Amino acid sequence: EVQLVESGGGLVHPGGSLRLSCATSGFTFSNYWMSWVRQAPGKGLEWVANIKEDGSEKYYVDSVSGRFTISRDNAKNSLYLEMNSLRAEDTALYYCARDIWVVSGPSPPDVWGKGTTVTVSS
Amino acid sequence: AIRMTQSPSSLSASTGDRVTITCRASQDISTYLAWYQQKPGKAPELLIFAASTMQSGVPSRFSGTGSGTDFTLTISCLQSEDFATYFCQQYYNYPRTFGQGTTVEIK
Repeated sequence: EVQLVESGGGLVHPGGSLRLSCATSGFTFSNYWMSWVRQAPGKGLEWVANIKEDGSEKYYVDSVSGRFTISRDNAKNSLYLEMNSLRAEDTALYYCARDIWVVSGPSPPDVWGKGTTVTVSS
Repeated sequence: AIRMTQSPSSLSASTGDRVTITCRASQDISTYLAWYQQKPGKAPELLIFAASTMQSGVPSRFSGTGSGTDFTLTISCLQSEDFATYFCQQYYNYPRTFGQGTTVEIK
């Protein structure tokens, strides 16, 4: 069974930092692009970042570019999101997601974790 | 960024109804369009990708059509478990963007 389990969320002051982790199992992690998607309380979905299978390509939404860093450890089957200079508007449930495997071309997430909550408040 | 606009934002329907949700992209995205269902307190679930390809395990009452800028998600015969919020997402380019969501409520 494919599983994605996020951790690392919590309450942090504005300007602070957090590192989210996503432990995966049930599939060959190194064969898939991976994504982070967030959802502010009562709001819609916002794609945050994704990373290529070997970590050589990374993409970010403008609002987090330069503050957040996505990374992965294929030996540990894990995905990470390092978040710095956090703002109140970063408060959200953060989902780890696996992108659909395709031979070539872009693909959307097909499997999602349950999420980890990040609250930025003084 | 490509703007994705869903309509309606919400709708009320009865079990057995046919429901159609529309998603419009601010520029041509070919068929790089996915649909998700989200129930309260749960993670989104992928229904359709490539505009019309059903994800494995999704009931056949769900279908997707469209290309370019205009897309639709249709539920042919609404079931009780279909009351949820639906999101479209373009993955044509970066940043990936979602529609604002359409909530399907019980009439």
